[in-house]
Amino acid sequence: NAGVTQTPKFQVLKTGQSMTLQCAQDMNHEYMSWYRQDPGMGLRLIHYSVGAGITDQGEVPNGYNVSRSTTEDFPLRLLSAAPSQTSVYFCASRKGGDSPLHFGNGTRLTVT
Amino acid sequence: AQKITQTQPGMFVQEKEAVTLDCTYDTSDPSYGLFWYKQPSSGEMIFLIYQGSYDQQNATEGRYSLNFQKARKSANLVISASQLGDSAMYFCAMRPTGANSKLTFGKGITLSVRP
Repeated sequence: NAGVTQTPKFQVLKTGQSMTLQCAQDMNHEYMSWYRQDPGMGLRLIHYSVGAGITDQGEVPNGYNVSRSTTEDFPLRLLSAAPSQTSVYFCASRKGGDSPLHFGNGTRLTVT
Repeated sequence: AQKITQTQPGMFVQEKEAVTLDCTYDTSDPSYGLFWYKQPSSGEMIFLIYQGSYDQQNATEGRYSLNFQKARKSANLVISASQLGDSAMYFCAMRPTGANSKLTFGKGITLSVRP
């Protein structure tokens, strides 16, 4: 079982560049989300989706876009990278009810 | 809005001893779930244990148990018989009951197990 797959694992961007972090899950989970993790800050929710075609903002959405065209995929787009977006990004999914989030292995992004 | 508080500084425990990691939360939702995750130095997030706010008994999963005190709004994680592999960052998180509800994390606690 692949679970939640994130690519790439590492990325270095220059300020102003754009890129897409990929996330795919093979568990048929309706709910998917993106978090960023910064030292001393825990994990903060960027965007989430409760099903294909439905997305909403989390706690720190500025500078990021998402779309959910299929149940399986939930890409995160950085429109114009800034050094403040240097972070570790986690994609996660879950099924309904009291189910826990299943996390991908993370993407470490550095913006110079 | 939900808030999770984990205020302990780095924790140390001797191998084979038990350790308690503290978590308090604040919410106005009448029904919610509490989760603990482990993040080893390799970086992945590993789900450990879940407690529902209406569960009558404290949750247990192997060496992990959750000391849930609803009136005090605390959900402490107890790890029994600590092992070297328990050295990691531990996150407490909470989510109101509901299909669209979001999981809010605390800032985490670092646990180091000494041989």
